[in-house]
Amino acid sequence: DAKTTQPPSMDCAEGRAANLPCNHSTISGNEYVYWYRQIHSQGPQYIIHGLKNNETNEMASLIITEDRKSSTLILPHATLRDTAVYYCIVRPQGEYGNKLVFGAGTILRVKS
Amino acid sequence: DGGITQSPKYLFRKEGQNVTLSCEQNLNHDAMYWYRQDPGQGLRLIYYSQIVNDFQKGDIAEGYSVSREKKESFPLTVTSAQKNPTAFYLCASSTVTGEKLFFGSGTQLSVL
Repeated sequence: DAKTTQPPSMDCAEGRAANLPCNHSTISGNEYVYWYRQIHSQGPQYIIHGLKNNETNEMASLIITEDRKSSTLILPHATLRDTAVYYCIVRPQGEYGNKLVFGAGTILRVKS
Repeated sequence: DGGITQSPKYLFRKEGQNVTLSCEQNLNHDAMYWYRQDPGQGLRLIYYSQIVNDFQKGDIAEGYSVSREKKESFPLTVTSAQKNPTAFYLCASSTVTGEKLFFGSGTQLSVL
């Protein structure tokens, strides 16, 4: 399985866009990029996933580089409630959920 | 509302005692999972089940046991053989393809 590299922590001002990077240089052609987040003392929450096209939903946008070796999760207008650990995961589509490997992630602190 | 319910929220274990953590889902998901999370770290897979009456060991199954007698329920027993049980335990479920995992709110287990 491909591995991901994320910065351990980031700060963002409230109301500004939060851009969370993820490197996955060994990603395979059939592997999707997933993002989850975990607010303190809660279970992780699915945010978004994509293969090679940019994706957007009500929570965030996912930008994947053309070579697919890195991606960026964008929270367009960060709020204090977005303070959480963000996990970037790569996994083949159609594989069972046990193939989702949650590493240490990025701690995002949104400050007023 | 559909979701996953974990209970209790907090649990204390005495030396040599087995304790059971409850996980119930009403999402009609076939697959269920148990993860362990230690402070400041990612999630590690303990056990998973893709169908009733069947389950597989994850990365850290030693000292734990599970059962899957009903689709809705996947209880985890932390046995006395688990010498370092203090951790945050998370239950999750997904469809068979596991595209999105849905997590419960977790159980914090501590040793007295």
